[in-house]
Amino acid sequence: DQQVKQNSPSLSVQEGRISILNCDYTNSMFDYFLWYKKYPAEGPTFLISISSIKDKNEDGRFTVFLNKSAKHLSLHIVPSQPGDSAVYFCAARDTGANSKLTFGKGITLSVRP
Amino acid sequence: DTEVTQTPKHLVMGMTNKKSLKCEQHMGHRAMYWYKQKAKKPPELMFVYSYEKLSINESVPSRFSPECPNSSLLNLHLHALQPEDSALYLCASTHDLAKNIQYFGAGTRLSVL
Repeated sequence: DQQVKQNSPSLSVQEGRISILNCDYTNSMFDYFLWYKKYPAEGPTFLISISSIKDKNEDGRFTVFLNKSAKHLSLHIVPSQPGDSAVYFCAARDTGANSKLTFGKGITLSVRP
Repeated sequence: DTEVTQTPKHLVMGMTNKKSLKCEQHMGHRAMYWYKQKAKKPPELMFVYSYEKLSINESVPSRFSPECPNSSLLNLHLHALQPEDSALYLCASTHDLAKNIQYFGAGTRLSVL
């Protein structure tokens, strides 16, 4: 059973526009959420995170929103740049098993020049 | 510095071979992880070491044997692997188990013939 779901496998946006990447989760014990970016032939790189006690965290062009009641989070990238083209993974930490992160399947973002 | 170094980058081995993957970090992180990632799938947790002790084994077959010789080094010993074990093997580390922001290496691309 997939506890972290990224239902859209891919997203294509124009350079300069907003990219919105969505993630849903089912486990109510998740208390910390992270986004990772992965280029081909590289390991995942930590991008931004949010605690379950917050609903928004911003870092430069990247903002993560959390809606606990809907068990939904989203990553906004504004403005999108061609260098943002990568696979983005949503991950969640289980407060009951805090050494483990559960990852979604990832979304491939393509930013067109 | 958030560097996790994995060697080798690529490895081809036969089903009767014995080989080892190596992971090194000098960030003082006290938790280290092995993940397996297949194409178009999320990373799957294999092992967690916390303070140089194995704390999680996700029911990994015994043909994979982890070892943590010291706080900076993590090895994965491979023996009698199967072709379906071909994958990208990722190492990660974290200094803060509360937030569990993990920093990943670039991975070892393993092919079992």
